[in-house]
Amino acid sequence: SQELEQSPQSLIVQEGKNLTINCTSSKTLYGLYWYKQKYGEGLIFLMMLQKGGEEKSHEKITAKLDEKKQQSSLHITASQPSHAGIYLCGADMGTDKLIFGTGTRLQVFP
Amino acid sequence: NAGVTQTPKFRVLKTGQSMTLLCAQDMNHEYMYWYRQDPGMGLRLIHYSVGEGTTAKGEVPDGYNVSRLKKQNFLLGLESAAPSQTSVYFCASRTVQGGSPLHFGNGTRLTVT
Repeated sequence: SQELEQSPQSLIVQEGKNLTINCTSSKTLYGLYWYKQKYGEGLIFLMMLQKGGEEKSHEKITAKLDEKKQQSSLHITASQPSHAGIYLCGADMGTDKLIFGTGTRLQVFP
Repeated sequence: NAGVTQTPKFRVLKTGQSMTLLCAQDMNHEYMYWYRQDPGMGLRLIHYSVGEGTTAKGEVPDGYNVSRLKKQNFLLGLESAAPSQTSVYFCASRTVQGGSPLHFGNGTRLTVT
């Protein structure tokens, strides 16, 4: 969706390296959701952020929502091959719709 | 507890044929959504429903119709399939607007030749 820009489109990192994926909108995000998708499979819910400045962590993955609620980042510390997949951000834009960004394809090599 | 179930898992259609994709959820969710996923395009919203008997257009509704006759089911129809509708289709549901994540089905891979 053009309302939700995700970057980078693709990322190749060496195992053990840190990385960041960004999700940006020109509009206020009323709820921001991060999902992971293994190639050819369904979507796994990672985290949800709602408040400006909110930050959540799960294992080695940290997600933040900026104070203006227009940008979110997903940070992976010490990446592992199990982190490989497609990461998608989705957002409530203040309507009943929930739209998604274009996704980031992450590859982690040994 | 099955969650969100999509049928069929795979389908091949010829141009001009019609078909219906079925999504069923057993979580008593009010909101249901149909998305399509194409390479490099992420998920794009086709249609959605905020309750039984209601439907609304998403980002890419053309060529599709939907119905929500029962709360637990959300049907996606293709009246005259086109090669541009070759995609992976995902259904999702959630309980209330805002503040609750989507629960996804495993997807339907549709090829139109």
